[in-house]
Amino acid sequence: NAGVMQNPRHLVRRRGQEARLRCSPMKGHSHVYWYRQLPEEGLKFMVYLQKENIIDESGMPKERFSAEFPKEGPSILRIQQVVRGDSAAYFCASSPFQNEKLFFGSGTQLSVL
Amino acid sequence: AQTVTQSQPEMSVQEAETVTLSCTYDTSESDYYLFWYKQPPSRQMILVIRQEAYKQQNATENRFSVNFQKAAKSFSLKISDSQLGDAAMYFCAYLNTGANSKLTFGKGITLSVRP
Repeated sequence: NAGVMQNPRHLVRRRGQEARLRCSPMKGHSHVYWYRQLPEEGLKFMVYLQKENIIDESGMPKERFSAEFPKEGPSILRIQQVVRGDSAAYFCASSPFQNEKLFFGSGTQLSVL
Repeated sequence: AQTVTQSQPEMSVQEAETVTLSCTYDTSESDYYLFWYKQPPSRQMILVIRQEAYKQQNATENRFSVNFQKAAKSFSLKISDSQLGDAAMYFCAYLNTGANSKLTFGKGITLSVRP
């Protein structure tokens, strides 16, 4: 059973471009969480999704950020018109049930030039 | 809102010695989970240990154990017989059990191991 797969591992974008980060949860996991980690900081919650539904997006910036977890395929975190402040490591985690321990991917390091 | 505090930014331990990493949290809930995650330079978040708040017994995983003091809202991690591979950032995290539960992390502590 492969772990949580995130790609790409590194993503470089210029200001104003779009960034799309992908996350394939572990097999059998229907709960997906996205976290952002700034340098020297802990992980900050962004959004919690179940298949086709956004459950909690209280940590997501209101503009330019969106997330989806379609019935088929990976979860996508999309950042439109990126700015330098979006540079961070973005982690995805999955769990089989709510309130269960989370399994994390290796993260995507986004660098905005 | 729940908060998790790790007040020590860095710690160092001699190989084979024991080290304790501190964590406190704030919550009004009575049922929750607490975790320690390890993040080596590879950036992978690795679950070290988990504690259910309703359990009085402290969790143990091989060389890793916790001291869970529910009344004091303290959750420290003890690493025994430290190894070079233990060098990493360690994050304490809290998970509420209600609807829309999500992990709340502390800022982390960098642990170095001296050979």
